[in-house]
Amino acid sequence: DGGITQSPKYLFRKEGQNVTLSCEQNLNHDAMYWYRQDPGQGLRLIYYSQIVNDFQKGDIAEGYSVSREKKESFPLTVTSAQKNPTAFYLCASTPGTGGTEQFFGPGTRLTVL
Amino acid sequence: QKEVEQDPGPLSVPEGAIVSLNCTYSNSAFQYFMWYRQYSRKGPELLMYTYSSGNKEDGRFTAQVDKSSKYISLFIRDSQPSDSATYLCAMSGASGYSTLTFGKGTMLLVSP
Repeated sequence: DGGITQSPKYLFRKEGQNVTLSCEQNLNHDAMYWYRQDPGQGLRLIYYSQIVNDFQKGDIAEGYSVSREKKESFPLTVTSAQKNPTAFYLCASTPGTGGTEQFFGPGTRLTVL
Repeated sequence: QKEVEQDPGPLSVPEGAIVSLNCTYSNSAFQYFMWYRQYSRKGPELLMYTYSSGNKEDGRFTAQVDKSSKYISLFIRDSQPSDSATYLCAMSGASGYSTLTFGKGTMLLVSP
């Protein structure tokens, strides 16, 4: 089955720890995106990547880092510098580089204890 | 002024009603318009995708774009309890390296 997978589904982190969220797609999509969703805030773009080994900051990149070493993988690291990391994190991909028709993974719920 | 405005709801309707969900936007460069459905604690699912002005129909769903008014709508006919979800509008500029701008979502509740 083609699709976007995110793991883990739930993640708990102590303050001061870095954590990495996984996002994998087998759709052969070019571009991949990370969003953060908070209640009442909608989706906010963290980072995106249109080709391997290249990525751009979104609206709220501070405290996050990404890599794109393979076309199918776009992991997100939430660093200890992120002040309010508790949120629902969504990964998306799109077949072209134009950012239209994005398809989303199931999400990872990160809670900082 | 926010780029995309969407009433958060909740919008409560009885089963079988026609539902109208709307977004307004301020950026005249937006060319592509999308509607996503998101169930609680799930990823958004792409429902409708339209380019420029006009209507697009898919089953019980109709997406409408009025670029002159900077206004988009999603109509759901014969609404079902399974339609209860949050509906997000999204839009982007011309193809190339555009990213999506999302509304904050409208929560819809369809009661049996």
